[in-house]
Amino acid sequence: QKEVEQNSGPLSVPEGAIASLNCTYSDRVSQSFFWYRQYSGKSPELIMSIYSNGDKEDGRFTAQLNKASQYVSLLIRDSQPSDSATYLCAAPLNNAGNMLTFGGGTRLMVKP
Amino acid sequence: DAGVIQSPRHEVTEMGQEVTLRCKPISGHDYLFWYRQTMMRGLELLIYFNNNVPIDDSGMPEDRFSAKMPNASFSTLKIQPSEPRDSAVYFCASSLVQREKLFFGSGTQLSVL
Repeated sequence: QKEVEQNSGPLSVPEGAIASLNCTYSDRVSQSFFWYRQYSGKSPELIMSIYSNGDKEDGRFTAQLNKASQYVSLLIRDSQPSDSATYLCAAPLNNAGNMLTFGGGTRLMVKP
Repeated sequence: DAGVIQSPRHEVTEMGQEVTLRCKPISGHDYLFWYRQTMMRGLELLIYFNNNVPIDDSGMPEDRFSAKMPNASFSTLKIQPSEPRDSAVYFCASSLVQREKLFFGSGTQLSVL
């Protein structure tokens, strides 16, 4: 079992819809969680971080964290074709020396 | 700032050859990371440095891989001898204090034939 798990997708949504990306992690003591976006052929870039249970909103993006369930999600409202990319969930894991461990990523396709 | 700079962007070599990848982190960043990305294994941490000192190299796959950071503005990842299974995209990243907020370079696409 991977320590940070994501559905590889592709997740296909129509333009204007809400895209929901999910991630589970194995380390109960993880305190911070990150979403990186990676366009095809490009490098990952940080788009969201969340540290507390609940929701954190930034523009069209909302990160949701549930530490009890070891679950973090990313919602993208009013999805645009330019949101089409792979979204990587990441967390510092205790058994990795608290270094950032990435999930395999979910590929999102937003169709016009 | 120009961001994290990696070179070369693409490297094609033959099995058994030495490969050296280069990285210039963002000025002032305390941490430097080397990651490898493949379809099968995703993004894996190979090694990281703090203030030019290697802290954790447990992700380095084997002795054929080595990394150095002789000063705050330069790091290398060397593979000797290279093998076809080393083919991947190698990313360098740096961060300031908080280790999770990484700034990635554009990566080196390595193909070992």
